Amino acid sequence: DIQMTQSPSSLSASVGDRVTISCRTSQNISNFLNWYQQKPGKAPNLLIYAASSFQSGVPSRFSGSGSGTDFTLTISSLQAEDFATYYCQQSFTTFATFGGGTKVEIK
Amino acid sequence: QITLKESGPTLVKPTQTLTLTCTFSGFSLTTSAVGVGWIRQPPGKALEWLALVSWNDDKRYSPSLKSRLTITKDTSKSQVVLTMSNMHPVDTATYYCVHRDMNYYDGSGYYYFDHWGQGTLVTVSS
Repeated sequence: DIQMTQSPSSLSASVGDRVTISCRTSQNISNFLNWYQQKPGKAPNLLIYAASSFQSGVPSRFSGSGSGTDFTLTISSLQAEDFATYYCQQSFTTFATFGGGTKVEIK
Repeated sequence: QITLKESGPTLVKPTQTLTLTCTFSGFSLTTSAVGVGWIRQPPGKALEWLALVSWNDDKRYSPSLKSRLTITKDTSKSQVVLTMSNMHPVDTATYYCVHRDMNYYDGSGYYYFDHWGQGTLVTVSS
C-alpha cells in the first residue's frame, strides 16, 4: 500500500490568510495526486487532480503543486466557505489511498 | 447532470452481510474509462476506498477487505451493488458511492472521483 501522510492534521487561520497543506507519500507517485474538500455532514468535493489540474468550477484561490513524494495544496486567500477538512488521495495505483485529512478551522 | 444515490439498511447486526445499492443517472457505465466505486468514512475519521467496477466489468478491491467484498453492476438498471460479509462494529461508517473519471496526458491515465453520492450511514450493532 502507498501510505499518505498529511500535515498538519489541523490548523487555525483567519479569513484572508494564505494556507498551505502538505501531503507526503511513501513512494514516488509522479503527479498522480488528487485533493478533496469535505464540509461537515457532506460528501467530499474534488478540487485538484493530477497534482495541479483544476476541477471545473473550483475557485482560482486553490492551487496544487508537487511531484514524486511531496505535494502541497495552497489556498491563496482563505474565505469563510473554505473552512473544511481537506484530503489528498493517490491515483498511482488502482487501490486508492487517502491521507488522514487536514481540518482548517477559524482562528 | 451526474447523480448517485446510495440505498440499503441503516443498521446491521454483527456477522451479517451488508448489501448496498448505488443508483446513478447522467452517465452510462458502458462508456470507456468510467467506473463506479465505494468509499467509506467511519465517524470522525478519514476516507477509505473499498471497491470499484469499471465500464469493461474490471473489478478491483481493497486488499485488506477483498475476501469480504463483492461488487457488481447492472447497466440496464444503472445500478452498482456492493456486498460486504461478516460485518463488525468497526465497519460502522458512512458509505459513499462515487463516479470515477479519467483524463489522459502524455499516455498516462489520471483518475479521480468527481461525483459522490450523499452517503448512507451504516451502523453495526447487536
